[in-house]
Amino acid sequence: QQPVQSPQAVILREGEDAVINCSSSKALYSVHWYRQKHGEAPVFLMILLKGGEQKGHEKISASFNEKKQQSSLYLTASQLSYSGTYFCGTKDNDYKLSFGAGTTVTVRA
Amino acid sequence: DAGVIQSPRHEVTEMGQEVTLRCKPISGHNSLFWYRQTMMRGLELLIYFNNNVPIDDSGMPEDRFSAKMPNASFSTLKIQPSEPRDSAVYFCASTPRQGSHEQYFGPGTRLTVT
Repeated sequence: QQPVQSPQAVILREGEDAVINCSSSKALYSVHWYRQKHGEAPVFLMILLKGGEQKGHEKISASFNEKKQQSSLYLTASQLSYSGTYFCGTKDNDYKLSFGAGTTVTVRA
Repeated sequence: DAGVIQSPRHEVTEMGQEVTLRCKPISGHNSLFWYRQTMMRGLELLIYFNNNVPIDDSGMPEDRFSAKMPNASFSTLKIQPSEPRDSAVYFCASTPRQGSHEQYFGPGTRLTVT
């Protein structure tokens, strides 16, 4: 079962903030965030394993609410390099990742 | 380290032809994944190998698709015969072991079937 991401796309100016949401209808073992730049492979950003725990990568952080089966990715003070498509992936066993449809982020100068 | 290596990077073929995509995982990684990415369906897991053994092939769309991993450093994904709807970017990814958190993706093979 694919997780659901929202919004589908977001356009930001440098320095602005954004939130990307990821939700699942199933109980989650973990939530994984990846970023894919145009024409490139997805690159791992972070994983969240415990409810309510926040992780960070540069000025990108994420939270995971186990009870609500949701995760949110926070882009703070966005930079041009943050542009790309962000995917959340959820696991309900120890190897299979189901990816959301992705959120395309465009950061403009 | 060289990262995951895939070949070819681009493949254009005619409907009905056989296509073979190749992947070399990161040395020492025991788990390997094949994904397909399209605009319509997103990033889908096709098959997962652990220690060269196929563990989960439930994502392989049809019998026209087959995958092998004859040794720890090489895997192939074959489509025979190919169809236009197989056009997609195919990624290979590897992890050090089953249960590892981070998947390391290769650069992908862009397949176009005309």
